[in-house]
Amino acid sequence: EVVMTQSPATLSVSPGERATLSCRASQSVNNRVAWYQQKPGQSPRLVIYGASTRATGVPARFSGSVSGTEFTLTISSLQSEDFAVYYCQQYSDWPPNTFGQGTKLEIK
Amino acid sequence: QVQLVESGGGLVKPGGSLRLSCAASGFTVGDYFISWIRQAPGKGLEWISYIGLFGNTIYYANSVAGRFTISRDNDQNSVYLEMHSLRAEDTAVYYCARDAGYTYGNYYFDLWGRGTLVTVSS
Repeated sequence: EVVMTQSPATLSVSPGERATLSCRASQSVNNRVAWYQQKPGQSPRLVIYGASTRATGVPARFSGSVSGTEFTLTISSLQSEDFAVYYCQQYSDWPPNTFGQGTKLEIK
Repeated sequence: QVQLVESGGGLVKPGGSLRLSCAASGFTVGDYFISWIRQAPGKGLEWISYIGLFGNTIYYANSVAGRFTISRDNDQNSVYLEMHSLRAEDTAVYYCARDAGYTYGNYYFDLWGRGTLVTVSS
């Protein structure tokens, strides 16, 4: 089973600043990584798939990148609506699909 | 409106059973693979089951294999999760989620329901 490890657990950033969230896979996942945003009391929302492709309707300030087995979600200029928990998920080696434990992005 | 709506959650005693439903609207559920994913209170996401287009391809996470059964009724535009021998650690919000691929599996999820809470407690 592929283990996805996200860091940090909590990230405090000021509005307008850049946020960088990381997710490391325990083995190669062929860039088959998705990112989801979850706000309190809501279901997850797809943000990025294929490591770097934005989902429909996702603002351009969200971007994804990869270096080996290290995946990064960057939000270039944080808006108030971006503060949430973000999960990465690999879909290369499944079942099971595996998620990271999440990074909480909070207002500094 | 394109959406998934879960129902059937509630309070059940350890060892009990429950059947969850996932009703699709605004699209034909028969054109998509569907998964169930759960989230324990204050915890992360755990994929637990997947069903292919015609119900002949099914997978389960080890944590629920042998206790949970996924099924679908494309005529009713719905997917179901039958849960037996429930344990305290099954307490979670259960989401159904649509695979992002149309008639094939991409294995990531572009549409989620709002979830239904299952609480296993005596």
